[in-house]
Amino acid sequence: AQSVTQLGSHVSVSEGALVLLRCNYSSSVPPYLFWYVQYPNQGLQLLLKYTSAATLVKGINGFEAEFKKSETSFHLTKPSAHMSDAAEYFCAVTKTSYDKVIFGPGTSLSVIP
Amino acid sequence: DAGVTQSPTHLIKTRGQQVTLRCSPISGHKSVSWYQQVLGQGPQFIFQYYEKEERGRGNFPDRFSARQFPNYSSELNVNALLLGDSALYLCASSRTAENGGELFFGEGSRLTVL
Repeated sequence: AQSVTQLGSHVSVSEGALVLLRCNYSSSVPPYLFWYVQYPNQGLQLLLKYTSAATLVKGINGFEAEFKKSETSFHLTKPSAHMSDAAEYFCAVTKTSYDKVIFGPGTSLSVIP
Repeated sequence: DAGVTQSPTHLIKTRGQQVTLRCSPISGHKSVSWYQQVLGQGPQFIFQYYEKEERGRGNFPDRFSARQFPNYSSELNVNALLLGDSALYLCASSRTAENGGELFFGEGSRLTVL
């Protein structure tokens, strides 16, 4: 079965510092991979998705993620954190475009002024 | 265009009661999925419906049921509520069943069971 692990339930960075949120997946075949963001009291919003077209995926709000098959990883990065980036971030996976989307446990990002 | 809308936004029930949650997808979207998000955890898949047919079901007991209407809106029903059913229930829509994981979420219905 598909699963996703996110290392670090909570990450704190200073404003302007690099953001790195980690995600590893378990899959026998390259899956579809996603990062979603959830702001307080809101639903989830898609940040970016990997569908095998390119290993480096650019998303909204300056975020990007790199698919590394050898490491079964899909880590999310942003060069410079803004206060508005404080939110919960979820890595997600689906085996095919028809399958259910499986979410990881989430990483809460705090940005310190 | 309006996004995914869910109602009610908040509700409180007691153990043993029944609850119905409602979801209207984005106009033109024919697939609706339901997720349960317990505080501090990631969303857990409950159901997916497409064209009024159930396309997938997560690991939830039979107390959970859902349906999709001809206008593609959906209802999630939970019977015999337990304390552990307290959670944020999220509805997500996509244009087709082949959504490629690109889901559009509503803000959720927060259920508290006392």
